[in-house]
Amino acid sequence: DGGITQSPKYLFRKEGQNVTLSCEQNLNHDAMYWYRQDPGQGLRLIYYSQIVNDFQKGDIAEGYSVSREKKESFPLTVTSAQKNPTAFYLCASKEGSYNEQFFGPGTRLTVL
Amino acid sequence: GQSLEQPSEVTAVEGAIVQINCTYQTSGFYGLSWYQQHDGGAPTFLSYNGLDGLEETGRFSSFLSRSDSYGYLLLQELQMKDSASYFCAYPGAGSYQLTFGKGTKLSVIP
Repeated sequence: DGGITQSPKYLFRKEGQNVTLSCEQNLNHDAMYWYRQDPGQGLRLIYYSQIVNDFQKGDIAEGYSVSREKKESFPLTVTSAQKNPTAFYLCASKEGSYNEQFFGPGTRLTVL
Repeated sequence: GQSLEQPSEVTAVEGAIVQINCTYQTSGFYGLSWYQQHDGGAPTFLSYNGLDGLEETGRFSSFLSRSDSYGYLLLQELQMKDSASYFCAYPGAGSYQLTFGKGTKLSVIP
C-alpha cells in the first residue's frame, strides 16, 4: 500500500537536545511538507520541499531544519533553538498541481 | 494579511444536517479545500472548490462564493463517526503551500 510513514509515534526528549523526526513516502510525490499542530491552533507550515535538494521555509521555520536528499524522505530536525517544541508534528506530500495533500499519522513530541 | 476564520465548535444531532462556515482574507485566492481530522489522527482531504458553487461528494458538500470570500462544508445525515475537527484551507500561488484555518470541532450527539 502506498502512503506516508512517520516514526516514532511518540517521542520524548530532554530540553536542549536536538531531535530528528522521520518522514518517508512511497507515493512518488514531488512535494513534501512539515506541519506543527498545537491545540486550537490548526496546522502551521514549518518547511516544504517541491523537489529533491530544494526546500523553503514556511510560516514558523525558526528552530527547525530539514533536508531533502531523496525524493521519498524529508526528515525534520527540531533544534534546541526551538523555544516550545512540544507539539504534534505532521508530514504530508502532494503530487504536482493536484490540490490534495496526503498526511502521515504524525509524531507527538514531548520535551521534558 | 492572510487568514481563515471558522467557528471553533459545533454540536449537532445524529441524522441532522450541519453547516461549517469559513471566511477568508487573502491577497491571492486559488480555491478552498476542506480536511477532516479525528482526534489524534491524520487530516484527510474531503473536497476542493476552485470555482463558485457547490461540490457534492456523498453526504458531504462544499460551497464557495469568491465574491463574498466565504465557503462552507455541509454534512448531511450525520453519523457518530463524523465527530471530528474540520479545517478549511487555501493554497498559495503555484498551489504548493496550504494555509489552514484553526479548525471546527464537530460533536455529533445521539
